[in-house]
Amino acid sequence: QVQLQESGPGLVKTSETLSLTCTVSGGSISSYYWSWIRQPPGKGLEWIGYIYYSGSTNYNPSLKSRVTISVDTSKNQISLKLTSVTAADTAVYYCARGGAGVFARRYDFDYWGQGALVTVSS
Amino acid sequence: QSALTQPRSVSGSPGQSVTISCAGTTSDVGGYNYVSWYQQHPDKAPKLMIYDVSKRPSGVPDRFSGSKSGNTASLTISGLQAEDEADYYCCSYAGSYTHVFGTGTKVTVL
Repeated sequence: QVQLQESGPGLVKTSETLSLTCTVSGGSISSYYWSWIRQPPGKGLEWIGYIYYSGSTNYNPSLKSRVTISVDTSKNQISLKLTSVTAADTAVYYCARGGAGVFARRYDFDYWGQGALVTVSS
Repeated sequence: QSALTQPRSVSGSPGQSVTISCAGTTSDVGGYNYVSWYQQHPDKAPKLMIYDVSKRPSGVPDRFSGSKSGNTASLTISGLQAEDEADYYCCSYAGSYTHVFGTGTKVTVL
């Protein structure tokens, strides 16, 4: 059974960089797309972007200038960096398996992590 | 890339059927057969319930069904049960290898 676990600081200062890691267990990162999705408190879901195990990425146009997603296949980890954060970036951040990439067989998210709450405050 | 439009809430009694709509455009819902639905209980991660408009992952009860007509997708829960009370989100492929989620619907079992 594939399991995903997000980790990282729960508090980030305004204008700094948010960094999170997702560790995948029970399966390999290879041959899949991996996405980051966030949910502000009391609000809906927003797709942030995805990475293929080979390293190719695609991002939500609204966040593209501030987002970097990377992969470390040796550690079975996916990472998220979001720069110049503001209070509007306060959210639960989820990693999930899936993404609408060129090599994707499905365009949905079938496994999710439990989520990590990141609060942005000065 | 605007969020897909869902009703804020729907409700039904146990055993009844409820349908949640997900309205998009020809650039997302109407243009592709890549609509998925997620169930989210309070303080829990979303769970995939439907993919490719109408396919059910293994383990999802057949009370859950999906369909699409034009630019609007729908999720129907038949034989509503207490454990179905949750938030539901649709998601569609939106072209250029991107995704867009719906605004979310709270399902209440009366």
